[in-house]
Amino acid sequence: DSGVTQTPKHLITATGQRVTLRCSPRSGDLSVYWYQQSLDQGLQFLIQYYNGEERAKGNILERFSAQQFPDLHSELNLSSLELGDSALYFCASSVGLATYNEQFFGPGTRLTVL
Amino acid sequence: AQSVTQLDSHVSVSEGTPVLLRCNYSSSYSPSLFWYVQHPNKGLQLLLKYTSAATLVKGINGFEAEFKKSETSFHLTKPSAHMSDAAEYFCVVSPNAGGTSYGKLTFGQGTILTVHP
Repeated sequence: DSGVTQTPKHLITATGQRVTLRCSPRSGDLSVYWYQQSLDQGLQFLIQYYNGEERAKGNILERFSAQQFPDLHSELNLSSLELGDSALYFCASSVGLATYNEQFFGPGTRLTVL
Repeated sequence: AQSVTQLDSHVSVSEGTPVLLRCNYSSSYSPSLFWYVQHPNKGLQLLLKYTSAATLVKGINGFEAEFKKSETSFHLTKPSAHMSDAAEYFCVVSPNAGGTSYGKLTFGQGTILTVHP
């Protein structure tokens, strides 16, 4: 158990809908990261927050947004969903900003868009 | 810019034989390199990391990797495979530069390791 929790574990929704994925980092970790894992794209970094501020952006679509709250939990919002958004979404956390910090991954949320 | 190439999408070994998972990287900066493992229906777990200290890095569960700058490689090895090693393995690179590269990991496509009894 990494100490990172993600809810829900599974989510099934329809095209055009909006969903929110939630992540609670390990106790003491200030950085939260979001990743998307799909069969065709592999694992891709989406976005990083550190202590409430956005710090790095990857291949995140404009239809997607995220935020980190004062209690350090984070939410990833996916809107106008398309079939291609079906994927496993991982959250990870680390103690600091630096790239050499170990990232601890949650179990993921599996999103299915029908 | 940075990229990672895992040279084998699947590797199959017998229990008790050595494991070699190959990884080549490209990075504009002196990189940090990682190997993560993902067991079925689980999140990723860090096996080991290289951050410009010793070039031979030892990780958990008997795995180790050697950073070879001249070959831009970071291959993962284990002397003797165990059934519990069956999983997908990801080679990961991150720049050590600051700025907007904070925390940004670039993942290889993964290598699925199968271990036969």
